[in-house]
Amino acid sequence: DADVTQTPRNRITKTGKRIMLECSQTKGHDRMYWYRQDPGLGLQLIYYSFDVKDINKGEISDGYSVSRQAQAKFSLSLESAIPNQTALYFCATSRGQEETQYFGPGTRLLVL
Amino acid sequence: QKEVEQNSGPLSVPEGAIASLNCTYSDRGSQSFFWYRQYSGKSPELIMSIYSNGDKEDGRFTAQLNKASQYVSLLIRDSQPSDSATYLCAVNDSGTYKYIFGTGTRLKVLA
Repeated sequence: DADVTQTPRNRITKTGKRIMLECSQTKGHDRMYWYRQDPGLGLQLIYYSFDVKDINKGEISDGYSVSRQAQAKFSLSLESAIPNQTALYFCATSRGQEETQYFGPGTRLLVL
Repeated sequence: QKEVEQNSGPLSVPEGAIASLNCTYSDRGSQSFFWYRQYSGKSPELIMSIYSNGDKEDGRFTAQLNKASQYVSLLIRDSQPSDSATYLCAVNDSGTYKYIFGTGTRLKVLA
């Protein structure tokens, strides 16, 4: 049973469409993160949230928005998808500062 | 801009050998350090965390931390073909408590 789940696992969309990626966790962690990973590159932080009322931009937040609906849910939206947003997207959680991050299985997104 | 640097590799080692992976970081105030393994197309999974100077061993894996020199390393003993993956070093940012990831070192264990 997965502690951090992401839906959908794969998504194909067209340029200009708005899409949402969802993340849920049963670990009881306060902190949640969204990353993207491009082939051969490291993880780039998009947004992070330390609790339901605390949401912060990461290094590459342009073109993205997030919603923390509850402690266990953190959604990432692409307002108007573009081809260079084609990537693997990961959600992660951690219990507190300096604690281990745990990753979801990822969402593979293709923007045509 | 705080950074974590790793050699991208690939690092090729024969089966049964010791693989040595290295990572340097720029944030002198960092207190938490992590090694993740990532298979192609899969999510990163934690191998080791280390918080104090010195060595930390877990099975075939040993993490080494030297805060004065700002480096952290991972040794894999008796390397197996199943260890072939990309290894990501992550460091906790002392100011924001975000995690800064290196770009990873690709390890190939040759049977």
